[in-house]
Amino acid sequence: AQKVTQAQTEISVVEKEDVTLDCVYETRDTTYYLFWYKQPPSGELVFLIRRNSFDEQNEISGRYSWNFQKSTSSFNFTITASQVVDSAVYFCALGSRGNNRLAFGKGNQVVVIP
Amino acid sequence: DVKVTQSSRYLVKRTGEKVFLECVQDMDHENMFWYRQDPGLGLRLIYFSYDVKMKEKGDIPEGYSVSREKKERFSLILESASTNQTSMYLCASSPPPPQETQYFGPGTRLLVL
Repeated sequence: AQKVTQAQTEISVVEKEDVTLDCVYETRDTTYYLFWYKQPPSGELVFLIRRNSFDEQNEISGRYSWNFQKSTSSFNFTITASQVVDSAVYFCALGSRGNNRLAFGKGNQVVVIP
Repeated sequence: DVKVTQSSRYLVKRTGEKVFLECVQDMDHENMFWYRQDPGLGLRLIYFSYDVKMKEKGDIPEGYSVSREKKERFSLILESASTNQTSMYLCASSPPPPQETQYFGPGTRLLVL
């Protein structure tokens, strides 16, 4: 069975601080995919990134960066210099080859205080 | 650009009513999904469909049914709405493997009185 754990439920930061969201996954599959989604107060889940299990390169996109480490089964997400617009729930998800379903973590509520 | 739309953003229904939630995608995706989201429980998969007229139960199918008559449209049906079905309902679609990234609609907040 696939499982995703996002231990921190709510994280509050002051604007311009960095915030890191932890995601730990469990899978027996050798080929799998990891995702991060953002859910702002409006409700829609917005796709942020997808990572394949065979590609451990870290990625940076603007103020967002992702650290994928197979050795610790983690796919952590950092927001640098947070802004109020980053206030949202962030979900980590896991999928595997040939399986249409994704396993989602419970989400991290990020509150950025101006 | 990826586009998934849902028929309503907010819906209020009475107990016992039959409720239809519609989802349409314009990306020619094979797979479509219905989730519900509740505080503390995260996203839970209700049903998904991997082709027209094909469906599979998710983790919490009880009290729901689905219909997929056309590739772009996936309907969630509450045969007899109950108060415990008050929730946020999210639809998603994805292409077939290996590109399984799911794209979500804006969600429907359903209140059953």
